[in-house]
Amino acid sequence: KQEVTQIPAALSVPEGENLVLNCSFTDSAIYNLQWFRQDPGKGLTSLLLIQSSQREQTSGRLNASLDKSSGRSTLYIAASQPGDSATYLCAVKDSNYQLIWGAGTKLIIKP
Amino acid sequence: NAGVMQNPRHLVRRRGQEARLRCSPMKGHSHVYWYRQLPEEGLKFMVYLQKENIIDESGMPKERFSAEFPKEGPSILRIQQVVRGDSAAYFCASSPQGQGVHEQYFGPGTRLTVT
Repeated sequence: KQEVTQIPAALSVPEGENLVLNCSFTDSAIYNLQWFRQDPGKGLTSLLLIQSSQREQTSGRLNASLDKSSGRSTLYIAASQPGDSATYLCAVKDSNYQLIWGAGTKLIIKP
Repeated sequence: NAGVMQNPRHLVRRRGQEARLRCSPMKGHSHVYWYRQLPEEGLKFMVYLQKENIIDESGMPKERFSAEFPKEGPSILRIQQVVRGDSAAYFCASSPQGQGVHEQYFGPGTRLTVT
């Protein structure tokens, strides 16, 4: 049974720092992995989707990597800003069709 | 090209009432998924539907919950006799295909509060 874990559960850093969020999954047979952002009481914003054949995806200050063999993904945020404060969710689509979600990392960027 | 639409965005129900949540998939998408996010928890899969068919409802509570995706109109998630524990955010997603590499596109969610 696929399980997705995100570490750390919460992270607080000063503005301007580069940071890395981690996501691990137990079954490497996945179709893709997706990173989302969720603001308090709001919906889901898709940030990056990495297909299983890819190793990384980039969008602006965000870079997501995927190492399927080790069951890990990282989300790198460069030059963090207070507006980046949110909960970041990782989800994998495995051999089935449903998304399996991590519990999220709550990120606070201090001005 | 409108995205996935969900309504209402917020729904308040008293215990024992019925809640109906609607989801209109993106144009051209015939696969719909419902996920639930309980307070301070991660999202969990509930049900996967194609037009007029329930493909997998393994994540649905056995009682009081049902879902449909008729030939015409939106997908409906129905919760009968709501209880406080049903208070959650319910997200709908759609995709052009089910299995495989296809991305699921999410709606804004419906926040259900049971008083």
